Amino acid sequence: DAGITQSPRHKVTETGTPVTLRCHQTENHRYMYWYRQDPGHGLRLIHYSYGVKDTDKGEVSDGYSVSRSKTEDFLLTLESATSSQTSVYFCAVSSGQTYNEQFFGPGTRLTVL
Amino acid sequence: AQSVTQLDSQVPVFEEAPVELRCNYSSSVSVYLFWYVQYPNQGLQLLLKYLSGSTLVKGINGFEAEFNKSQTSFHLRKPSVHISDTAEYFCAVMEGGGGSNYKLTFGKGTLLTVNP
Repeated sequence: DAGITQSPRHKVTETGTPVTLRCHQTENHRYMYWYRQDPGHGLRLIHYSYGVKDTDKGEVSDGYSVSRSKTEDFLLTLESATSSQTSVYFCAVSSGQTYNEQFFGPGTRLTVL
Repeated sequence: AQSVTQLDSQVPVFEEAPVELRCNYSSSVSVYLFWYVQYPNQGLQLLLKYLSGSTLVKGINGFEAEFNKSQTSFHLRKPSVHISDTAEYFCAVMEGGGGSNYKLTFGKGTLLTVNP
């Protein structure tokens, strides 16, 4: 499973509150990604990181920020959560051997009321 | 930029029947192609991938896919499905050579339901 954990696994929060989701990996992968999954939309890339302190925007980055201060952790922050950010969030990492393969975490189900 | 179209959002089949899940992509550059599977309440798992070479790619659980450059397709097939194959299947594309920081673009998914 590429040693990926996500926390929390489930969260219910209210509109306007800040939320931080954590992705932790134990295998020193260089690349890390945050996706959201919504019915009828598949997975869409929010932000990604190509190294410590190196991040960039994905397809649906508005309302989200990320940070990567060490190799093993990639944090996704919703500064002020909205109901449209209710979703399942997946973290992924790229294999150190073959960068073209991504391994996925178990996901975090976020509900914004 | 790349895009992926999965032509069927849902595919119901009977157990032991063959199945084909269709995927078309568009890209102005060479690409790598992937199929992922997601079982209920789980993350995504790689089924198979095409990077180069033989256009017929075999994956786990008896699945295979064929890359067709002229038709820009990468359809997934299995000759005989089982109840346990019930899941959502995602086709994804990546710019070849890692030029896009190995980012994946996903299709919207196909829900395969295998009935007894």
